[in-house]
Amino acid sequence: DAGVIQSPRHEVTEMGQEVTLRCKPISGHDYLFWYRQTMMRGLELLIYFNNNVPIDDSGMPEDRFSAKMPNASFSTLKIQPSEPRDSAVYFCASSFGGTILYNEQFFGPGTRLTVL
Amino acid sequence: QQQVKQSPQSLIVQKGGISIINCAYENTAFDYFPWYQQFPGKGPALLIAIRPDVSEKKEGRFTISFNKSAKQFSLHIMDSQPGDSATYFCAASTGNQFYFGTGTSLTVIP
Repeated sequence: DAGVIQSPRHEVTEMGQEVTLRCKPISGHDYLFWYRQTMMRGLELLIYFNNNVPIDDSGMPEDRFSAKMPNASFSTLKIQPSEPRDSAVYFCASSFGGTILYNEQFFGPGTRLTVL
Repeated sequence: QQQVKQSPQSLIVQKGGISIINCAYENTAFDYFPWYQQFPGKGPALLIAIRPDVSEKKEGRFTISFNKSAKQFSLHIMDSQPGDSATYFCAASTGNQFYFGTGTSLTVIP
């Protein structure tokens, strides 16, 4: 298996532009997570899905952020409009967790977003 | 509010020494405590994990010590090697909530 795939690996955009980050989880995994990593705040869980359904989006910073999972093999995280403070590394992770979050999460390589 | 407090922020250890990273939590509902290791340019990867029904778990050179009454847990890396140089994150979960610590950057000097 290729592991969790994220694209793009690097994104540079200007303030106010829409940004879409993409993730393909490991086949067969039923949980998908989006994280944001910054030096100041460390790793923050933004949202997670179970069987394509959003379960907890309490970590999404504001309405400018939205995430979708139209099927078991694809998810997007969208920021519209983007702001410089959104600059961070965004990770997608997946796991096969049954009904509880006790199982290993497999992380993708991340997308480094820079908003100018 | 940080659900899991991790220290130190950075750590420098000589090769062969013991690296110790500490984490503390307040929510007694947490019942799963994993540690993740992250190398530069990579995503975190699970290193070792513990449940609160045991006080210690060892896997090779890596040991988690867990103190339920103090609500603290720590990662010990024995015989630290330069290849262990990475950022380490503790985490805690209730089963439907998951929180990472802020990370510890470990440098092992040859």
